[in-house]
Amino acid sequence: GESVGLHLPTLSVQEGDNSIINCAYSNSASDYFIWYKQESGKGPQFIIDIRSNMDKRQGQRVTVLLNKTVKHLSLQIAATQPGDSAVYFCAENLYGQNFVFGPGTRLSVLP
Amino acid sequence: DAGITQSPRHKVTETGTPVTLRCHQTENHRYMYWYRQDPGHGLRLIHYSYGVKDTDKGEVSDGYSVSRSKTEDFLLTLESATSSQTSVYFCAISPGQGKETQYFGPGTRLLVL
Repeated sequence: GESVGLHLPTLSVQEGDNSIINCAYSNSASDYFIWYKQESGKGPQFIIDIRSNMDKRQGQRVTVLLNKTVKHLSLQIAATQPGDSAVYFCAENLYGQNFVFGPGTRLSVLP
Repeated sequence: DAGITQSPRHKVTETGTPVTLRCHQTENHRYMYWYRQDPGHGLRLIHYSYGVKDTDKGEVSDGYSVSRSKTEDFLLTLESATSSQTSVYFCAISPGQGKETQYFGPGTRLLVL
C-alpha cells in the first residue's frame, strides 16, 4: 500500500457523523488556501479553496473555515461516508508565490 | 486527474543510475510543477516551469534537473539517483502561479536501491 502518511495524525469518525479536520498554517500573511483529499495510491484531489477576504466557504457537503487571528483553517465534512476515508491536507499561498503544504490528517470512517 | 499523466507509475532503480520521470498534460496550462512526497512531510517543491524552456528551482532541487521543450511535457531527471531520492513524485499543473488551484497527476513511486 501507500507508504506516505504512516505517521500522520488520525481522525476516526462514525459513518454519518460530521468530521472536522484542522490545519494550522504558518504565515499570517498567506492569502489563499486549498484543501486537498488524497486517497491511497492516488494524487491529491482539490476539494475546496478560500481566500483571506473570506471567513467561510461552502461546497457540496464540505465547509472551510478560516480564522486568521490564530492562523487556523478547518474542513468540515457533513454526513461522513466511507468514500471520505483519505488523507486530507491544506495548502497555503502568499502573494502568488509557491504553495506550502501541510503534512495532512488521515480520516478513517468507521461503519 | 485533470488531464495529467505521469510515466512510469512505478520504478525501481539502483544508486548511481540516471532516471527520468515524465509528466504530460492535455490542459494547455502554463505552469507545471514537480513535487516529492515523503512520510511526515507535506508535498515539497522540487522544480517548476512557467513556460516552455522557463524553469526555476523549488525548496528541494539539489540532485534534480528539469526540462520543458513543449507546453504539454515536463521532465524530471535524477542525474545519479541516491537512496534519499526514494519517494513518491507528483506532477501538478496550474493555469497561473500561486492564486490558481494546482491539479495533480497520479504520481510515480520511485525506489532507489
